[in-house]
Amino acid sequence: EVQLVESGGGLVQPGRSLKLSCVASGFTFSNYGMNWIRQAPGKGLEWVAYISSGSSYIYYAETVKGRFTISRDNAKNTLYLQMTSLRSEDTALYYCARHEVYYGSLAYWGQGTLVTVSS
Amino acid sequence: DIQMTQSPSSMSASLGDRVTITCRASQDIGNYLSWFQQKPGKSPRRMIYGATNLAAGVPSRFSGSRSGSDYSLTISSLESEDMAIYYCLQSIQYPFTFGSGTKLEIK
Repeated sequence: EVQLVESGGGLVQPGRSLKLSCVASGFTFSNYGMNWIRQAPGKGLEWVAYISSGSSYIYYAETVKGRFTISRDNAKNTLYLQMTSLRSEDTALYYCARHEVYYGSLAYWGQGTLVTVSS
Repeated sequence: DIQMTQSPSSMSASLGDRVTITCRASQDIGNYLSWFQQKPGKSPRRMIYGATNLAAGVPSRFSGSRSGSDYSLTISSLESEDMAIYYCLQSIQYPFTFGSGTKLEIK
């Protein structure tokens, strides 16, 4: 069974940093690209970042480019999102999701980890 | 960036009704279109991928179609468990973009 478990969220002050993790199981992690998607409270879904299976290709949303860094450790089956210079508008539930071969769809999602940026 | 214009933003329908939600892409996305269902407090669930392919475990009353740059999710006979917010997603080009969502309520 495919499982994605995010962690690392919490309350953080504006301007500070936070690092999220997503531990994968039930599939060969090193074969799949991965994404981060976020959802602000009561709002819609926003794609944040993508990393290819071997970390060769990385893309970011303009809203986080230069502040967030996506990375992965295939030996640990873990995806990361390093977030710096956090703003109140980064407050959201952050999901990791597996990038599928067919049509780049997102078949599997974690349960999310909540990041709250507030003083 | 590719814009996904989703409509309606909300709707109310009766059990057994046929329901259709639409997304229009601002650029050609081929069949790189997925539909997701999200219930309160839950992660999004993929319903349709490749515009018309039913995801595993999804009831057959759900279907996806395409007409040019318009993509539709149809529920053939609405059931109470279908009450949720539905989102479309284009995945042909980064940044991936979601539609703004359709809140489906049961009358």
